[in-house]
Amino acid sequence: QVHLQEAGPGLVKPSQTLSLTCTVSGGSINSGDYYWSWIRQPPGKGLEWIGYIYYNGNTYYSPSLRSRVGVSLDTSQNQFSLQLSSVTAADTALYYCARRTFRDHDSFDLWGQGTMVTVSS
Amino acid sequence: DIQMTQSPSSLSASVGDRVSITCRASQSISRYLNWYQQKPGKAPKLLIYAASSLQSGIPSRFSGSGSGTDFTLTISSLLPEDFGTYFCQQSFTMPYNFGQGTKLEIK
Repeated sequence: QVHLQEAGPGLVKPSQTLSLTCTVSGGSINSGDYYWSWIRQPPGKGLEWIGYIYYNGNTYYSPSLRSRVGVSLDTSQNQFSLQLSSVTAADTALYYCARRTFRDHDSFDLWGQGTMVTVSS
Repeated sequence: DIQMTQSPSSLSASVGDRVSITCRASQSISRYLNWYQQKPGKAPKLLIYAASSLQSGIPSRFSGSGSGTDFTLTISSLLPEDFGTYFCQQSFTMPYNFGQGTKLEIK
């Protein structure tokens, strides 16, 4: 059974770069059947799609975050990562990694448990 | 961007009730609409994909309908474990926006 687990610092200072890692267990990140995604949820608010990466390294980002975001793969560790630069308090959120399936339908069918990141000095 | 609007934003219902939540897209998304359930402190869970297809392992009391711009998630007979927040999400085009959520409370 495939499992996703986020990891990273829970506190980031304003203007710095937020970095998170998602480890995929029970399946290969090299599968061409999925896109590996990041989604966030500010406290008490709804869900915001950040971006995703395909096994070949192709990336797709939300236009609202494109200038500050990067998603990368580490196939040797079966991980993918998120970097968000120049953070402000508005980036405080619960960050989820998720798997996007697209072969027979298009959805986020598997999610990690989420990791809370607070932006504060 | 396609905006997703859910209604109501919250509702309270009794065990055994039939409950419906609606989701409206700002433009036609065909049937590229998914529904998720989120319980407090937990990750969202996919319930319905492609507007009306039940995800594996999801009880049949959950159903989805609609196409174009208007969609509905229905719980046929509410159980206590159905409390939580429900989100719709369009997968028609990027960015893959979600609705703002509907918080379902059990009376």
